[in-house]
Amino acid sequence: NAGVTQTPKFQVLKTGQSMTLQCAQDMNHEYMSWYRQDPGMGLRLIHYSVGAGITDQGEVPNGYNVSRSTTEDFPLRLLSAAPSQTSVYFCASSPRSRWEKLFFGSGTQLSVL
Amino acid sequence: AQTVTQSQPEMSVQEAETVTLSCTYDTSENNYYLFWYKQPPSRQMILVIRQEAYKQQNATENRFSVNFQKAAKSFSLKISDSQLGDTAMYFCAFSVPSGNTPLVFGKGTRLSVIA
Repeated sequence: NAGVTQTPKFQVLKTGQSMTLQCAQDMNHEYMSWYRQDPGMGLRLIHYSVGAGITDQGEVPNGYNVSRSTTEDFPLRLLSAAPSQTSVYFCASSPRSRWEKLFFGSGTQLSVL
Repeated sequence: AQTVTQSQPEMSVQEAETVTLSCTYDTSENNYYLFWYKQPPSRQMILVIRQEAYKQQNATENRFSVNFQKAAKSFSLKISDSQLGDTAMYFCAFSVPSGNTPLVFGKGTRLSVIA
C-alpha cells in the first residue's frame, strides 16, 4: 500500500494562476481532509469529506474548492492563487472520521509570488 | 470554540534523558479525543499517541506516554530514553466526535534531542 499520495511536492505559482493539488489514498478510507500549515500556526483545516460525493468546509475554506467523485481521490483546487496561500498543504485520511488516527501525505510546499 | 495551547515553542533534551511536552485545551464537551502528532524534518506527520477522554487510564506507546488530567484540561506527553530520531515538531490536537467541529491543532513544540 502506498498510503496517502500527494502531488506535486513543490509548486511555484504567480498571483492569479489556478492549480490543483492532487491527493489519493489506497486504504479505502471514507474520511479525507486538507490542511494548511503555516509557521507558528499549527495545522488548519481547509475542507473535508466523509465519503464520495460529500464535502464540507473547514476553518479556512476561502479561495479553495474540493470535490470527491471517488473514494480514493480528493483534489484541492486553488481558484486564483494569492500570496496569502503560500503554505505547506497536507492531505490526510482515516477509515471513518477525524477522531481516528489520521494518515498524512508528505505535503506540498506551495509558493505564490 | 475549542482551543489547544502548547506553551513551549522549543525544548531540548539530552539523549537518553526524559522530557515532557505540555498541552492544555479548552472545551465544554465531556467526550472527546486527544492526540500527539510528530513531524520530523522529513515533514511527514505521524501519530504518536491517542487518548479517549472517557478512559481514565493514560495511554502509552513504547517510550511515549501521556499524563491526562481531565479536570485540569491538561494532556502532556512524556518521552523516555530520548533518541536522536525523536527530534521533531510535536503537535497536540483535539477532536470532538460530533458535529462538524474540526480536529484542532496546537501551534507545536520543536524538540531537539542532543547527543
